[in-house]
Amino acid sequence: KQEVTQIPAALSVPEGENLVLNCSFTDSAIYNLQWFRQDPGKGLTSLLLIQSSQREQTSGRLNASLDKSSGRSTLYIAASQPGDSATYLCAVNFGNEKLTFGTGTRLTIIP
Amino acid sequence: DAGITQSPRHKVTETGTPVTLRCHQTENHRYMYWYRQDPGHGLRLIHYSYGVKDTDKGEVSDGYSVSRSKTEDFLLTLESATSSQTSVYFCAIRGQGDGYTFGSGTRLTVV
Repeated sequence: KQEVTQIPAALSVPEGENLVLNCSFTDSAIYNLQWFRQDPGKGLTSLLLIQSSQREQTSGRLNASLDKSSGRSTLYIAASQPGDSATYLCAVNFGNEKLTFGTGTRLTIIP
Repeated sequence: DAGITQSPRHKVTETGTPVTLRCHQTENHRYMYWYRQDPGHGLRLIHYSYGVKDTDKGEVSDGYSVSRSKTEDFLLTLESATSSQTSVYFCAIRGQGDGYTFGSGTRLTVV
């Protein structure tokens, strides 16, 4: 079964620290991987999309990496801010026309 | 970003009544999806569409039907709502680079 796992389920860090969120998936034959952010009671905002042929993508303070051979992706957030507090979701397209989601990491940045 | 709107944003309905949720897109994307989000389960695919009148089931399709008579509209119907269908429903489209864009969600409560 194709599955996506995000550990830990929750993470708290002081403001200003750099941090890494983890995503693992069971099938290395992926099409692409997408990171989303979700604020409480809101929809999903796309952060970064990494195609199967890419190793990383960057947007501002965010950097996402992809290692298909180990079945892992990381989302690196530099110089964290209280506004970064949200739930971060990893979603994988295994090439079967749909996204499979992890259950997310709830991030709290402590001022 | 693709224009994608969901209606209604909130709905309370009684057990046994039919309910239809609407997803509307403005950019002529071929693929559209309905997901539900529940605590502890993350986002799970209900149904998806790959063109007008072309639809397929996701992992939690029981009790739901969909229709797509126009490219821009994808309807999700609960034939006879049950309390287990209380959830937040998200519509999504697959757009440029095969990245996904999500609507703002519909919060459905079945009492």
